[in-house]
Amino acid sequence: QQQVKQSPQSLIVQKGGISIINCAYENTAFDYFPWYQQFPGKGPALLIAIRPDVSEKKEGRFTISFNKSAKQFSLHIMDSQPGDSATYFCAASSSYSGGGADGLTFGKGTHLIIQP
Amino acid sequence: DSGVTQTPKHLITATGQRVTLRCSPRSGDLSVYWYQQSLDQGLQFLIQYYNGEERAKGNILERFSAQQFPDLHSELNLSSLELGDSALYFCASSVVGDQPQHFGDGTRLSIL
Repeated sequence: QQQVKQSPQSLIVQKGGISIINCAYENTAFDYFPWYQQFPGKGPALLIAIRPDVSEKKEGRFTISFNKSAKQFSLHIMDSQPGDSATYFCAASSSYSGGGADGLTFGKGTHLIIQP
Repeated sequence: DSGVTQTPKHLITATGQRVTLRCSPRSGDLSVYWYQQSLDQGLQFLIQYYNGEERAKGNILERFSAQQFPDLHSELNLSSLELGDSALYFCASSVVGDQPQHFGDGTRLSIL
């Protein structure tokens, strides 16, 4: 059972445009939602993350929008650049009492291409 | 550079064999996570250790095991290898009770 559904699978955006990737989750115990960027031959690198107590978080050109009632969250990349071409993963995890957090449940990834 | 070091970068072996993958977490991180990335399954959480003790289990096969040593480095042991075990194996570390998880660059395992 896929607990985090990510779309689209691939995305082509013109330079300067807005890239939008969406994710939906099922497990209401999830309380941490990060987005990772992965380049070929490299490990996933954290871009930005959000917790359910806020509906939006912005860091530079990257924004997460979070809708708790719909159990959906999305990544917006403003002014997309060719260097942003990579695979993007949404993820989710839940904390547990006593501290610590569970492993991340990842979406299937979105292959983003920014055309010059 | 995430600060998480994984060795080796590449590993080629045959079916039925056993291999050990090594991970050194970021300085100060007590928790280590192992993930498997394959084309069909995507990125899947395998197992988590905190300060030497197993903390959480994901989709880890019984043929796979891990441990975290007193110096906090971790090893993932894969035995009775099958063709389907060919994948990228990532280690991540974090300060327990506070995300985020920082990933190494992985070990690419190829089973011939």
